[in-house]
Amino acid sequence: DTAVSQTPKYLVTQMGNDKSIKCEQNLGHDTMYWYKQDSKKFLKIMFSYNNKELIINETVPNRFSPKSPDKAHLNLHINSLELGDSAVYFCASSPNLYEQFFGPGTRLTVL
Amino acid sequence: GENVEQHPSTLSVQEGDSAVIKCTYSDSASNYFPWYKQELGKRPQLIIDIRSNVGEKKDQRIAVTLNKTAKHFSLHITETQPEDSAVYFCAASIRQGTYKYIFGTGTRLKVLA
Repeated sequence: DTAVSQTPKYLVTQMGNDKSIKCEQNLGHDTMYWYKQDSKKFLKIMFSYNNKELIINETVPNRFSPKSPDKAHLNLHINSLELGDSAVYFCASSPNLYEQFFGPGTRLTVL
Repeated sequence: GENVEQHPSTLSVQEGDSAVIKCTYSDSASNYFPWYKQELGKRPQLIIDIRSNVGEKKDQRIAVTLNKTAKHFSLHITETQPEDSAVYFCAASIRQGTYKYIFGTGTRLKVLA
């Protein structure tokens, strides 16, 4: 029974397209995050939501728009995809201010 | 700005030997320090963590030490096994409205059989 799940696992698309990644957690956690892991494996936070409210918004291009329909879901929509958006995107959730549990990741390739 | 430095970037050890990975953080207000293990193509998994009111924590072959004065923390793996081979990330939790992680740059550990 997967705790933090993401879809799709792989996403290959052309430059300029718009795509979405979905994340769901069944742990009852209040806080969810999006991270980007680039080709050098650097992990960097993008967004955080607490109970559907945006609380962290790093210096991410406004082509990236997170949406949290409820506290169990945090989706990421990306407009006008660019080559540099190619990366693995991880969703995570946290029950408190400490531990974070990661989803399996979505490998996005922009051609 | 906030920063976490991690060393070494790669580490090769013989099976059975110990491995030590070190991190330094910049924000003295950081109060929580997790370590994650990431196997190839997999998600980062929390393996051990330490809070700022504790100097050392151990879980079987894994231990973490924290020196708040020096703003250093380290991961120690004893009796390494081939399945310990992975990329290890340290992180420091800082408060910015809410708490967020700043990750180190990762250490690729290879345990040679």
